[in-house]
Amino acid sequence: AQKITQTQPGMFVQEKEAVTLDCTYDTSDPSYGLFWYKQPSSGEMIFLIYQGSYDQQNATEGRYSLNFQKARKSANLVISASQLGDSAMYFCAMREGISDYKLSFGAGTTVTVRA
Amino acid sequence: EAQVTQNPRYLITVTGKKLTVTCSQNMNHEYMSWYRQDPGLGLRQIYYSMNVEVTDKGDVPEGYKVSRKEKRNFPLILESPSPNQTSLYFCASSLSRGRGPLNQPQHFGDGTRLSIL
Repeated sequence: AQKITQTQPGMFVQEKEAVTLDCTYDTSDPSYGLFWYKQPSSGEMIFLIYQGSYDQQNATEGRYSLNFQKARKSANLVISASQLGDSAMYFCAMREGISDYKLSFGAGTTVTVRA
Repeated sequence: EAQVTQNPRYLITVTGKKLTVTCSQNMNHEYMSWYRQDPGLGLRQIYYSMNVEVTDKGDVPEGYKVSRKEKRNFPLILESPSPNQTSLYFCASSLSRGRGPLNQPQHFGDGTRLSIL
C-alpha cells in the first residue's frame, strides 16, 4: 500500500497568492515524522519543513506552513505569498519511528507560479 | 560547507557496461542511502547503510550493489546496467537515530542523471 499519497500532479498559482499542496499518509506507527522537500528544475532536493507525530502545533518555516490533521492522516503544505522562484516539484515524505531514517516519498506535485 | 557530493552528475552509457556512481559526505553522518527518482513514482530507496560495513536493501535493490568501507563514502555500483535503470539517482545522509534529533532531515546530493542505452 502507498504510504504517502499526493493527489495533485500539477498546480498553477498566481504570484503573491497562497497555494495548498495535499499529502495524506498511511502508517500504524504512533511515532513518525513528515517532511516536505522542494525540487527545482535544477534537480536538487531542498528540505522545507518538518512535522512530528507528537507535535502539538503545526510547523511553520517562513512562508511555509504545514496543516497537520493527525486524525485524517494529512499533512498539507501551504505556501503563502507565492513567488516565481517557488515554481518546482514538491515532495511529501514520511519516516516511521520503528525504522531507520528511510524516507517514503509521494509522487510529487509540480507547482507553476504565474506572474 | 556541509554537503553530499555525487559524481558524475550526468552519464550516458550502454547496456552491460559496469559503472559506479560515487557519493561522499563531509558531515560525519553514520546513515547513508541511495534513492532513484522516476516520474510519477517519487523517490524510492535502493540501498542504505547504518554505518561502516553495514548495508541493507531498500525497496528496489535489484541490479544494484553498494559498499561502505569508509564512513564518508557510499558508492552505488551497477554491474550490468540495463535501460530500465535509466533514472535520476540521489544519495542522502543523516546522523543515526541515537545521535541526532528525530526531526533532522536527510541531506541530499545534487543528483546523478543516468541514461542507459
